[in-house]
Amino acid sequence: EADIYQTPRYLVIGTGKKITLECSQTMGHDKMYWYQQDPGMELHLIHYSYGVNSTEKGDLSSESTVSRIRTEHFPLTLESARPSHTSQYLCASSPLPGFLDTQYFGPGTRLTVL
Amino acid sequence: KNEVEQSPQNLTAQEGEFITINCSYSVGISALHWLQQHPGGGIVSLFMLSSGKKKHGRLIATINIQEKHSSLHITASHPRDSAVYICAVSPYSGGGADGLTFGKGTHLIIQP
Repeated sequence: EADIYQTPRYLVIGTGKKITLECSQTMGHDKMYWYQQDPGMELHLIHYSYGVNSTEKGDLSSESTVSRIRTEHFPLTLESARPSHTSQYLCASSPLPGFLDTQYFGPGTRLTVL
Repeated sequence: KNEVEQSPQNLTAQEGEFITINCSYSVGISALHWLQQHPGGGIVSLFMLSSGKKKHGRLIATINIQEKHSSLHITASHPRDSAVYICAVSPYSGGGADGLTFGKGTHLIIQP
């Protein structure tokens, strides 16, 4: 059982609000990732981090931002939510780069912006 | 065209049947992953492989690097195997983002 947590699990919010999706892992993994999954579609990488103070943009352009101040914590922030941000957001971590080791996924946050 | 293609998109079978899900990819990869996603949305990693074959319980994953193709097999399928099975690859991008590139998934339903 992977020790990676996401809160909230579900969030319904109005347009224009600032939101932060939390992701924490207790495995001491250096690599962390955020993926976005629209209903019925494949996951896309939107952000990743190699470790503390490292953040990079992924393959899919996203208006969200991330920070990595502590190894265990990788929050994602939307400054002004819009209906186009409605999606599922999944956080993952791995001890080594993705091509060398398994990624462990959190349960996801299902975001609805009205 | 997606870099990772899965077939079939949907599969309904009876309990006990042998299940095969296929994955083809078009890029050079360092590894291929098979993942399982349940209706609640959580994802579990089943296999990561870069060559040959791996087996875990009733699940078997194979990969043919030359043909850029992988298969996931489930023997003696059970209703609890019902889930979305996702193929993902770690592209050999040589320094870019090393997150996974995903297929759209195969929605599997095993009927009792």
